[in-house]
Amino acid sequence: DAGVTQSPTHLIKTRGQQVTLRCSPKSGHDTVSWYQQALGQGPQFIFQYYEEEERQRGNFPDRFSGHQFPNYSSELNVNALLLGDSALYLCASSPGAGNEQYFGPGTRLTVT
Amino acid sequence: AQTVTQSQPEMSVQEAETVTLSCTYDTSENNYYLFWYKQPPSRQMILVIRQEAYKQQNATENRFSVNFQKAAKSFSLKISDSQLGDTAMYFCAFMKHEGSQGNLIFGKGTKLSVKP
Repeated sequence: DAGVTQSPTHLIKTRGQQVTLRCSPKSGHDTVSWYQQALGQGPQFIFQYYEEEERQRGNFPDRFSGHQFPNYSSELNVNALLLGDSALYLCASSPGAGNEQYFGPGTRLTVT
Repeated sequence: AQTVTQSQPEMSVQEAETVTLSCTYDTSENNYYLFWYKQPPSRQMILVIRQEAYKQQNATENRFSVNFQKAAKSFSLKISDSQLGDTAMYFCAFMKHEGSQGNLIFGKGTKLSVKP
């Protein structure tokens, strides 16, 4: 049983560019949540997708957007990258919105 | 708004000994979940243990157990017989229980080092 997978593993972008990160949930899970983890900090909630719609959103600007596909996989898009967007981006899946979440290995984004 | 506080940035323990990691939280909710996650250097966040607030019995999972004090809003993690593989960042997390409130709120973490 494959767990949560994320791609790419690492990514280097230049300030002002746009980036897309991808996540495939654990088998049987229909809800995907995205978190940003800055160095030395705990993860912070970005948003959650269920039934292809954004259901909840944390305190992140509109530069952060997402999408969920019919197969439950998800993308996180960040526009107009800032140096402060450098972080580990974690995807988590769950069988429904209010259940325990299983995390992927993360994508390390570096903005130069 | 809910907050989670982990007051121990770093801790160390000798192999085979017992260590307790502290976590306090603030909420006005009555129904919620609490979690401990482990994040080793490989970065993968792994669920260690979960506690439902309506359950008075403390959760246990092999060498891991919690001391859940709802009135005090305290949720500590005890690791018995510590092993080298327990070396990791440990995060305490809170999640509401109602409706679609499924986002996790994390503390800043405690870095645990298990020494041989």
